[in-house]
Amino acid sequence: SQKIEQNSEALNIQEGKTATLTCNYTNYSPAYLQWYRQDPGRGPVFLLLIRENEKEKRKERLKVTFDTTLKQSLFHITASQPADSATYLCALPDNSGGGADGLTFGKGTHLIIQP
Amino acid sequence: GAGVSQSPSNKVTEKGKDVELRCDPISGHTALYWYRQSLGQGLEFLIYFQGNSAPDKSGLPSDRFSAERTGGSVSTLTIQRTQQEDSAVYLCASSTRTSGAHYEQYFGPGTRLTVT
Repeated sequence: SQKIEQNSEALNIQEGKTATLTCNYTNYSPAYLQWYRQDPGRGPVFLLLIRENEKEKRKERLKVTFDTTLKQSLFHITASQPADSATYLCALPDNSGGGADGLTFGKGTHLIIQP
Repeated sequence: GAGVSQSPSNKVTEKGKDVELRCDPISGHTALYWYRQSLGQGLEFLIYFQGNSAPDKSGLPSDRFSAERTGGSVSTLTIQRTQQEDSAVYLCASSTRTSGAHYEQYFGPGTRLTVT
């Protein structure tokens, strides 16, 4: 079965440093991968989408890489700020993007930026 | 602009009762998704609508769960004869997705369902 793994332990990073979160997947050949942010009591908010033929995607202080050989995506936040503290979710299409794709989400990594 | 809205925000019900959860997607979004998030668990995909049809119902956990969408807009998720294991946050999302394309999903705030 399809499986997504994210580091379930909280990640503590000092303000101003780069935070790097990992998403590993198995039994997938996804056409794309998405990252979302979720704050307590709220629905997830879309951050970035990266396609299988893209190695890297950037948006302001965010950078995502996608290695389809390693079956891994890395999510980086540079110059991190306390306001970046949240849970970050990795998501892949259920049917490798070829069908009616709801998303399969990882359990998320809780990021804490220490001032 | 208006985002995805869900109602009620909180629902407490007794075991065995039926509940209806409502989702208003972003205007013009043709695709609508329902997910469930249990405490300490990831989001679980339930059902997907493209327009009024539901090509993928594979995520519905049992035949007590059903969903409909009318007019290509509002959707309701119905849970019959609720059980305690149904307690979770039910999230709705919409997107402009059309066949063959890949788009981000916009989520509502969720409905927190508690079955006592």
